[in-house]
Amino acid sequence: EPEVTQTPSHQVTQMGQEVILRCVPISNHLYFYWYRQILGQKVEFLVSFYNNEISEKSEIFDDQFSVERPDGSNFTLKIRSTKLEDSAMYFCASSEGPGGDSDIQYFGAGTRLSVL
Amino acid sequence: GQSLEQPSEVTAVEGAIVQINCTYQTSGFYGLSWYQQHDGGAPTFLSYNALDGLEETGRFSSFLSRSDSYGYLLLQELQMKDSASYFCAVRSGGYNKLIFGAGTRLAVHP
Repeated sequence: EPEVTQTPSHQVTQMGQEVILRCVPISNHLYFYWYRQILGQKVEFLVSFYNNEISEKSEIFDDQFSVERPDGSNFTLKIRSTKLEDSAMYFCASSEGPGGDSDIQYFGAGTRLSVL
Repeated sequence: GQSLEQPSEVTAVEGAIVQINCTYQTSGFYGLSWYQQHDGGAPTFLSYNALDGLEETGRFSSFLSRSDSYGYLLLQELQMKDSASYFCAVRSGGYNKLIFGAGTRLAVHP
């Protein structure tokens, strides 16, 4: 069964450092997303990406964040200068979209980011 | 604002039936999804309702009433492995953004 894969599973970094979280969406999907979940809290939308550009972003997704699809398979989230409050689980998701069951988003296993 | 309300915790015994309700208030609505998440795991898709009515997938069913801004997830023949958090999520907006509820922690006991 096709799945969304994320690497690394756990990333530890020092405050102020740049991190890149990587995702390989399901191959025939066209819409890509990043979400985050702070420990014990709900999943929060960060950004959606379609046709090689950001289609929507939340207020969390400020200038420190960027996304890129560098090739035909990878989708990355970069945090330029990490803060302590960026510590969270980051989930990548993809959907075939749009319409009906094609809207269903499938999530990767996540990357746990720990900022020290 | 946009909000989804669901109970924080539910407890049930093996073999029982449990219903997890979700009410929502969002600026746009294209569908209600349900996800299961085990501790430390990824949200796993369970069910999706874009139209009113009941969707059944094995032991799990989901219902939606758009006029009442309400839906529920029904879990039947509960098993220990169903112990997890369950999130309702609304697709809000034309670009498929999902807005999640705070989650319902289900504990299944023998």
